[in-house]
Amino acid sequence: AQSVTQPDIHITVSEGASLELRCNYSYGATPYLFWYVQSPGQGLQLLLKYFSGDTLVQGIKGFEAEFKRSQSSFNLRKPSVHWSDAAEYFCAVGERNTPLVFGKGTRLSVIA
Amino acid sequence: DGGITQSPKYLFRKEGQNVTLSCEQNLNHDAMYWYRQDPGQGLRLIYYSQIVNDFQKGDIAEGYSVSREKKESFPLTVTSAQKNPTAFYLCATRVGLGLRLGYTFGSGTRLTVV
Repeated sequence: AQSVTQPDIHITVSEGASLELRCNYSYGATPYLFWYVQSPGQGLQLLLKYFSGDTLVQGIKGFEAEFKRSQSSFNLRKPSVHWSDAAEYFCAVGERNTPLVFGKGTRLSVIA
Repeated sequence: DGGITQSPKYLFRKEGQNVTLSCEQNLNHDAMYWYRQDPGQGLRLIYYSQIVNDFQKGDIAEGYSVSREKKESFPLTVTSAQKNPTAFYLCATRVGLGLRLGYTFGSGTRLTVV
């Protein structure tokens, strides 16, 4: 069965510092991979997605993610964090006709 | 604007009562999903439907029921059999395949059972 692991429950970074959120997945074939962001009490907003091709994917708000098949990872990065990036981040994996499976999320706090 | 409407945003019910959460979409998407979110648990799949009049159980379907009589609507009923119904519920739709695959999420309903 497919699964997604986000090893970090909570991360705190200083404003302007770089960020990397980790995501590892377990899947039989090449999956569809997603990163979503959620503000408190809100729905999910798509940051970026990967299906095939170039393993470095650019998303919205200055985020990018790199697919590494050998490590079964899809880590999310941002070179310089802004206070407005404080939120919860979810990695998700899916396949052609199966529902998305989500990780448990990483809560990002940003300090001045 | 096309989108997903979940109503109400906040819902309070007494223990032992059934309650129905609404999810309506005007995106013309075939597949619809219900997820439950608890702190530190991520999103867990309750039920999903790929076409009208058909639906499948997800990982945590016990104590829930759904119907899909119209393409636009996928209501979720939380029954009295659900042991711990207080949670945040998210509805989603899916469209496309491959590079066109996309999911849209509603803004959620927070259910509190007292």
